[in-house]
Amino acid sequence: VMTQSPLFLPVTLGQPASISCMSSQSLVYADGNTYLNWFQQRPGQSPRRLIYKVSHRDSGVPDRFSGSGSGTEFTLKISRVEAEDVGVYYCMQGVQWPPTFGGGTKVEIK
Amino acid sequence: QVQLVESGGSVVQPGGSLRLSCATSGFTFSDYAMHWVRQAPGKGLDWVAYIASDGNNKQYAESVKGRFTISRDNLEKTLHLQMNSLRPEDTAVFYCATDSGGTFDYWGQGTLVTVSS
Repeated sequence: VMTQSPLFLPVTLGQPASISCMSSQSLVYADGNTYLNWFQQRPGQSPRRLIYKVSHRDSGVPDRFSGSGSGTEFTLKISRVEAEDVGVYYCMQGVQWPPTFGGGTKVEIK
Repeated sequence: QVQLVESGGSVVQPGGSLRLSCATSGFTFSDYAMHWVRQAPGKGLDWVAYIASDGNNKQYAESVKGRFTISRDNLEKTLHLQMNSLRPEDTAVFYCATDSGGTFDYWGQGTLVTVSS
């Protein structure tokens, strides 16, 4: 089970934001990798991967996004929120079967 | 660039059937496992089905097992989802997504399935 918090995150433009994701089991796979991903879903759009294997940022993802954590506790941070960051953010684990998503965190501008 | 384009969504009555397709381009389709993920209106993401790159391993969420069938045509670079015995709770946007091992790299734009009388 993937548990995200908070469910709702109002943020001031230019201020940092942080989203937590906790797994009920360790996400370290037998190969030593930790398959924890973060996705962004902007309003009216399909999900887009931002981060894979905890902290690897996808091509084209601004460096204000960063992922961290280990084992069962993970965090997505936005260093300075911009208007285009509004949307819902999901964590997802790819270690246990079936793959599961957190419930989502809705980021909006105050 | 990688493109995944879903189609086939529509309004269908409870108990009805529908076949979704996901046409792909921009990558070697036969090298990738694929998934279907759905999102009910105003809700989160819910994994539905998986198929290995060669089509020999298929997995389903408990909620759709026995009703949905995932398949692929590696020559046509297309993924399919045959959905039978549809229920109102199957109403959702259905996305196809690529799998490169423990992650979903690319997603399509989604196709809406509405199950209603």
